[in-house]
Amino acid sequence: DQQVKQNSPSLSVQEGRISILNCDYTNSMFDYFLWYKKYPAEGPTFLISISSIKDKNEDGRFTVFLNKSAKHLSLHIVPSQPGDSAVYFCAASAWRNNNDMRFGAGTRLTVKP
Amino acid sequence: DAGVTQSPTHLIKTRGQQVTLRCSPKSGHDTVSWYQQALGQGPQFIFQYYEEEERQRGNFPDRFSGHQFPNYSSELNVNALLLGDSALYLCASSGDLESPYNEQFFGPGTRLTVL
Repeated sequence: DQQVKQNSPSLSVQEGRISILNCDYTNSMFDYFLWYKKYPAEGPTFLISISSIKDKNEDGRFTVFLNKSAKHLSLHIVPSQPGDSAVYFCAASAWRNNNDMRFGAGTRLTVKP
Repeated sequence: DAGVTQSPTHLIKTRGQQVTLRCSPKSGHDTVSWYQQALGQGPQFIFQYYEEEERQRGNFPDRFSGHQFPNYSSELNVNALLLGDSALYLCASSGDLESPYNEQFFGPGTRLTVL
């Protein structure tokens, strides 16, 4: 059951421009959402999260937007840097302390110098 | 401060065999979760251990079992291996009460190949 979907397997952007990664979910019980970044040969690294009581959370160059009515969230990276090149996973859970997270299939971001 | 460590890095087994994977959580963490990541997919939750007991379980058969030790380290055991069990197995730890996000920290994973 694909409860979390990342429909773009890959994304390529120019250094300094904005990267927008999208994620859709189907389970209305999800109320906590996270983004993870994964480099080759490493485990996923937590990037940023948002709870359903908010529609935006910002941390430096990274901003996550949540549209509950559309069951859609997005990660914005501004400005994009070559070091941001990685696979980005969207994840969701039914509550903040529930570690049964459901992951999307990931989007490979390539930032070109 | 060591992060999450996993051993071995790679493993090759044949169908029907049994395998044990090991994980040491990040210092200060008491909860360990295991995930299976098949090629081209996101991690799938197998189960979570807390206080040496299985607290949550995903949609995996009983061939997948685990254990947590008093020092919070954990093992994942898979019996009667199938070709479809070939994947990257990720361990994640959590439980840092100082963190506002209660995020999970992942290890680098164990790549299991079943022939």
